[in-house]
Amino acid sequence: SQELEQSPQSLIVQEGKNLTINCTSSKTLYGLYWYKQKYGEGLIFLMMLQKGGEEKSHEKITAKLDEKKQQSSLHITASQPSHAGIYLCGADIRNYGQNFVFGPGTRLSVLP
Amino acid sequence: ETGVTQTPRHLVMGMTNKKSLKCEQHLGHNAMYWYKQSAKKPLELMFVYSLEERVENNSVPSRFSPECPNSSHLFLHLHTLQPEDSALYLCASSQHDPSGGASTQYFGPGTRLTVL
Repeated sequence: SQELEQSPQSLIVQEGKNLTINCTSSKTLYGLYWYKQKYGEGLIFLMMLQKGGEEKSHEKITAKLDEKKQQSSLHITASQPSHAGIYLCGADIRNYGQNFVFGPGTRLSVLP
Repeated sequence: ETGVTQTPRHLVMGMTNKKSLKCEQHLGHNAMYWYKQSAKKPLELMFVYSLEERVENNSVPSRFSPECPNSSHLFLHLHTLQPEDSALYLCASSQHDPSGGASTQYFGPGTRLTVL
């Protein structure tokens, strides 16, 4: 099984709707990262969470870290077509930053 | 030029060719990484150069050979590749904290490799 799981695998929403993507780790998290990727392109860093209960926002995207559950959620408010892409969570599962793993990604489509 | 750059952006090669992918970071970071992204698979970490040490994923075949001449440049030398090596190859850099703190990785746009 993978060290990072994401749900859902894919998501199609109507423009203006809210949505949540989850990332769950089977190992202790030392840092959790969210990235966005357009098809065939590099990853764009969104935000990093390090402490349990930490919550960060970037424009209409909010991410939270539940350290006890080893889980993070990414919430998009009032989605827009520009939010479409693949959302990947990545994590340091050891605290030396060398063992960095990614989830399988969640493909988001936003219908105008 | 800012951030992390990769060249070429697209590469098509035969199984007997030898080619190299190049990555350059302009962020003053001390760690650089190569990742492979295949269709329907999670990102796979191939190699890490951090503070002049090299860490590698033991599952990466020897037909992939990294080179890091300095902290700003990273190469991936390719030889006798197989069709299943076709993928998006991503380079990333970060500021590694020797005390063990988590560090953000910044990615280049990737090289789309096709092996015929």
